[in-house]
Amino acid sequence: EVQLVESGGGLVQRGGSLRLSCAASGFTFSTYAMTWVRQAPGKGLEWVSVISGSGAGTYYADSVKGRFTISRDNSKNTMYLQMNSLRAEDTAVYYCAKGRGVVVLAPIDYWGQGTLVTVSS
Amino acid sequence: QSVLTQPPSVSAAPGQKVTISCSGSSSNIGNYYVSWFQQLPGTAPKLLIYDNDKRPSGIPDRFSGSKSGTSATLGITGLQTGDEADYYCEAWDTSLSAGVFGGGTKLTVL
Repeated sequence: EVQLVESGGGLVQRGGSLRLSCAASGFTFSTYAMTWVRQAPGKGLEWVSVISGSGAGTYYADSVKGRFTISRDNSKNTMYLQMNSLRAEDTAVYYCAKGRGVVVLAPIDYWGQGTLVTVSS
Repeated sequence: QSVLTQPPSVSAAPGQKVTISCSGSSSNIGNYYVSWFQQLPGTAPKLLIYDNDKRPSGIPDRFSGSKSGTSATLGITGLQTGDEADYYCEAWDTSLSAGVFGGGTKLTVL
């Protein structure tokens, strides 16, 4: 059974940093792309970033480019999102999601339960 | 403003059929596969349709997807009260080099 468990969310001041983790189990982690998606309170889904199975390919939404860094440790079956220079508009539930294949264009098929990030001003 | 355009809300009676549209451009829907997700209140999204029209195992055939040109459509037949949720389309956008979601459509089963 595929399981994705996010952690690392919390309250942080504007301009601060936070690192989210996504622990994966139930599948061969290194053979699937992974994605971060966020959802601000009461708002829709916003695609944030994706990383290929090997970690060699990464892409970012314009809203986070230059501030967020996606990475993965295939030996630990874990994906990360390093978030720097946080802004109030980064406040959201952050979901970890698994792709159906190794490449970044692979569609999402499983989602974690999310972790809440709150940026205070 | 979302790159993919969905109607904010749709409604229909139990047992009826509803369709949800998702309009994009040649940068996204026109050249890439579309996925559809269901988000029940207070829960994480769930995959309903991938590669325009394929259903993952466990998704009933009441849910269907189609694509034509730069638009995609999600169809739900035999509506149930349990289908009340937000529905999102998603595709890759080559101009942005990023994934993009529609703004979401709230389905109300009257």
